[in-house]
This record gives sequence, structure tokens and C-alpha cells, in this order.
Amino acid sequence: SAVISQKPSRDICQRGTSLTIQCQVDSQVTMMFWYRQQPGQSLTLIATANQGSEATYESGFVIDKFPISRPNLTFSTLTVSNMSPEDSSIYLCSVENWGTSASDTQYFGPGTRLTVL
Amino acid sequence: RKEVEQDPGPFNVPEGATVAFNCTYSNSASQSFFWYRQDCRKEPKLLMSVYSSGNEDGRFTAQLNRASQYISLLIRDSKLSDSATYLCVVSGRQFYFGTGTSLTVIP
Repeated sequence: SAVISQKPSRDICQRGTSLTIQCQVDSQVTMMFWYRQQPGQSLTLIATANQGSEATYESGFVIDKFPISRPNLTFSTLTVSNMSPEDSSIYLCSVENWGTSASDTQYFGPGTRLTVL
Repeated sequence: RKEVEQDPGPFNVPEGATVAFNCTYSNSASQSFFWYRQDCRKEPKLLMSVYSSGNEDGRFTAQLNRASQYISLLIRDSKLSDSATYLCVVSGRQFYFGTGTSLTVIP
């Protein structure tokens, strides 16, 4: 069956540094998304990763802080730039239109747990 | 006003009990509705889609009332393995997640 993987699964970083998170799907998908889940909170959409064009960011999120790449239909990266402790969170990628799944159903990768000191 | 509102709980129920979760949404133009389950330190996983006609999957029954903008999830004969956080999700322009309802099933 298709698998969504994320790397790294967790990291502890120093403030001011950047971390790039990778999301890999083993089959082509139409839509890929990046979410953040802060401690004790629900999921917040950061952006939609568009293949071959710039990502679409939600209110409160900007490209300079969260640059996203999507070079093909199976892979995307999210970078958390110039990190501060407030960026400590779980970052999740999700995909839609995956395999035989119904349109408008999203499936999530295992997440990346980021701690910024 | 939040797009999706859920009672956060926690719900602590004995094994075998029936428990119901409720959720309301604010946008009447919302198109699709789901319940996801999230275990501690894990990613959300799709539990079931929710249809106006109601749908059942084993011990789980989901219901949608578009007029009242209300979604429900009923779990019958609760098992210890049902302990998790249940997220109500509404789809429109994007997926909107509720804050989740915590369920603990007690032996």
C-alpha cells in the first residue's frame, strides 16, 4: 500500500537556524499540504504545496519564514527558517487524491516533532 | 467565530459504554465532513466520512445535520483501544479541524 513518510521524525534545533522537512509519497498525488500542530492545539494549515509553482500560503504564514518546494507529484519540502522557540511544534504533511481514495479526503504523514531551544 | 467547534472533553467512560461526540460548524457552504482519530504523539487518521444520510462502520455511527450545521459521532460498546482524541473536520476552501475531543475508555 502507498506510504507517506517524513524526515526527520524529530529534531532539536537552536534558535536562528533553519530546518528542512521532507515529505515523500510512494505514489503520485494531486494535492500536498503542510500543517502545524502546536502543543495541545489542533491542526493549522500552513500552505498548499503546488507542483511546479509557488506554494499558496494561509493567513499568518509567509514564504520567507516557511519556504516550500514541490518539484514533482511525490515529494515536497517545508523549511522552517530563522527558528524561534515559538516554532516548536509538530509539522505534518498531508496528501489528497491518493491512490483510490475519494477526492477531498486527506491522509497524513507521521509528522516531524520540532523543538527549538 | 471558529470554523469548527467541539467539546474538548475529556470523556472518561467504562468499557462497553456508548459515548457520543458533537461538533458544530459555522460555514453553511461546507462541502465534506469527516471524523479523524489522533492517538497520542501520532498523526491524525481518517476514521470515517460523514454523510447527510448517516453512515455506520461497525461500532461507529456518524450523522450530519446540514440544517443545524451539526455533526455527531456515536461509539457503541467502547473498547480500551478507542481511547484517543477525535477530531471533527469540515471541508470547504480548505480542511478545518476542530480542537478534538479526548476519550479515555476505562477497564
